Amino acid sequence: EAGVTQFPSHSVIEKGQTVTLRCDPISGHDNLYWYRRVMGKEIKFLLHFVKESKQDESGMPNNRFLAERTGGTYSTLKVQPAELEDSGVYFCASSPRGQEETQYFGPGTRLLVL
Amino acid sequence: GENVEQHPSTLSVQEGDSAVIKCTYSDSASNYFPWYKQELGKRPQLIIDIRSNVGEKKDQRIAVTLNKTAKHFSLHITETQPEDSAVYFCAAKASNYQLIWGAGTKLIIKP
Repeated sequence: EAGVTQFPSHSVIEKGQTVTLRCDPISGHDNLYWYRRVMGKEIKFLLHFVKESKQDESGMPNNRFLAERTGGTYSTLKVQPAELEDSGVYFCASSPRGQEETQYFGPGTRLLVL
Repeated sequence: GENVEQHPSTLSVQEGDSAVIKCTYSDSASNYFPWYKQELGKRPQLIIDIRSNVGEKKDQRIAVTLNKTAKHFSLHITETQPEDSAVYFCAAKASNYQLIWGAGTKLIIKP
């Protein structure tokens, strides 16, 4: 069984540009989460999808971040416009229905904003 | 807000010795506590977890203990091996399924 995949693995952009990160969860997992780790600090929750619906987006830092999961399969996280403080590693995780807390992580996308 | 504190930030042990990493959490409603291992450049991998109705759980060389009263939980690795070298994260599940993470412990196994 394939694990959670994320694309790209790395992205280097300039301040003010737009970047879109993609996450493909484990097949059949209804729950999809986005987390990020900035500046070597703790991993922080961003949001939680159940299928295509946003269950909890309390961790989204501001309106420059937009997450979507059209069709309830893969998800995208767009940052527009990117700022220097957005640099970090963005992780995606998924879990099956009924086991929401058992989250399986992707390898992350390392974003560097210059 | 809810937080998880993790200690130590770096732990160096001799191969074959035991390693212990400790975490405390603030939200008394937390009821699920996973531990993740992240090797350099790889994904965080769930290695063991414990729920609040259990005090201890063991899986081969890895064990986790939970003290609900004191709100702390620990990871114990016995007979450490070189492949145990990694960053270990503890986490606690908040009421809304988001995980609250510790800052991580870099475990170094000395040959």
